[in-house]
Amino acid sequence: QKEVEQNSGPLSVPEGAIASLNCTYSDRVSQSFFWYRQYSGKSPELIMSIYSNGDKEDGRFTAQLNKASQYVSLLIRDSQPSDSATYLCAVNMGRLKVAQFYFGTGTSLTVIP
Amino acid sequence: DGGITQSPKYLFRKEGQNVTLSCEQNLNHDAMYWYRQDPGQGLRLIYYSQIVNDFQKGDIAEGYSVSREKKESFPLTVTSAQKNPTAFYLCASTVQGRATNEKLFFGSGTQLSVL
Repeated sequence: QKEVEQNSGPLSVPEGAIASLNCTYSDRVSQSFFWYRQYSGKSPELIMSIYSNGDKEDGRFTAQLNKASQYVSLLIRDSQPSDSATYLCAVNMGRLKVAQFYFGTGTSLTVIP
Repeated sequence: DGGITQSPKYLFRKEGQNVTLSCEQNLNHDAMYWYRQDPGQGLRLIYYSQIVNDFQKGDIAEGYSVSREKKESFPLTVTSAQKNPTAFYLCASTVQGRATNEKLFFGSGTQLSVL
């Protein structure tokens, strides 16, 4: 069974702190991993993608991937109130040249001013 | 501007009624997807299509139907057989739906509620 698991939270951090979001996945041969941000009542917005083990940084966001542990994380540095949203982890678990994206239930983040 | 357009934003269904959600994209993407999102749950795949006139069932296809007559369009019909249709429906697309490094982009969503 193909699963993506996240801690649903809620996670609260003070403004300026680092927020750490975690995700595990069941399919050992998955190759691509994504983080989406979703504001209440809105559609998910892609903020990070990562394909290789290690860290990938983009502005205040850093994605970390460890395929051996089947673990992917998202760090948000200098958290801002505008970062308050639900963060969805997604994994492409497709086979035979068919991309199939599986999503976790999301982690709700609140940044306290 | 390129993007994925979903309409309507809000839709109400009466018992026994079929309703159709529209999804149009001008990104020239081959692959299109329909997801359902319930409060506190992740996105669940309903149907996907990699090419015109072909589509495949996802994990929760029962009570839904789709068509793909044009590359740009992938409408979803919620039939009367779907007994619990209240949810946020999201249409998405990728370039081909085949490569491992493809990214999935979403439309703005349709909130369907039962009267």
